[in-house]
Amino acid sequence: AQSVTQPDIHITVSEGASLELRCNYSYGATPYLFWYVQSPGQGLQLLLKYFSGDTLVQGIKGFEAEFKRSQSSFNLRKPSVHWSDAAEYFCAVGIVSGGYNKLIFGAGTRLAVHP
Amino acid sequence: DAGVTQSPTHLIKTRGQQVTLRCSPISGHKSVSWYQQVLGQGPQFIFQYYEKEERGRGNFPDRFSARQFPNYSSELNVNALLLGDSALYLCASSGGTGTGELFFGEGSRLTVL
Repeated sequence: AQSVTQPDIHITVSEGASLELRCNYSYGATPYLFWYVQSPGQGLQLLLKYFSGDTLVQGIKGFEAEFKRSQSSFNLRKPSVHWSDAAEYFCAVGIVSGGYNKLIFGAGTRLAVHP
Repeated sequence: DAGVTQSPTHLIKTRGQQVTLRCSPISGHKSVSWYQQVLGQGPQFIFQYYEKEERGRGNFPDRFSARQFPNYSSELNVNALLLGDSALYLCASSGGTGTGELFFGEGSRLTVL
């Protein structure tokens, strides 16, 4: 069965520090992978996506993610965190099957940023 | 350009009642998907509609139903509400049913008392 695991429920970093959020997926075929961010009371905003090609993908707000097929991972990184990055981050795998598509999300990682 | 719009933003119902949530997709998008996000969890897929037809359904009971109108807007209906139906209901639109990006609205927060 397809699934997404985000091992870290909460992460706290200092402003200016680097960040890595972990994501592991389970999917038998070539995965379509996404990272979304959700601020309190808001919907989901797409940070970046991987469909094929270069395994290091760049996104908005200075985020990047690296697809590692051998590790079934798609970790999100940012070299220097800003206070406005405090939010919840969701990794998702996209499934295209039977004439429809859906996203399977992880449980999320809540990021807190200390000044 | 307007993004995905959902209404109402917040609502409170009691157990056993019925609720209807509404979604307008981005102009030109023909596919609408619904997701349920329970507090502390990631969103879960409920339905996808494309060209007014149900194309996919997640693991939700028959109390959940939806439809899509000729203008591609959509309604999600939940009957016989349970306390466990309390959640943020997210609508997403896309151009089709392939690998394209889903654009999410800000959601309708339902509280069942």
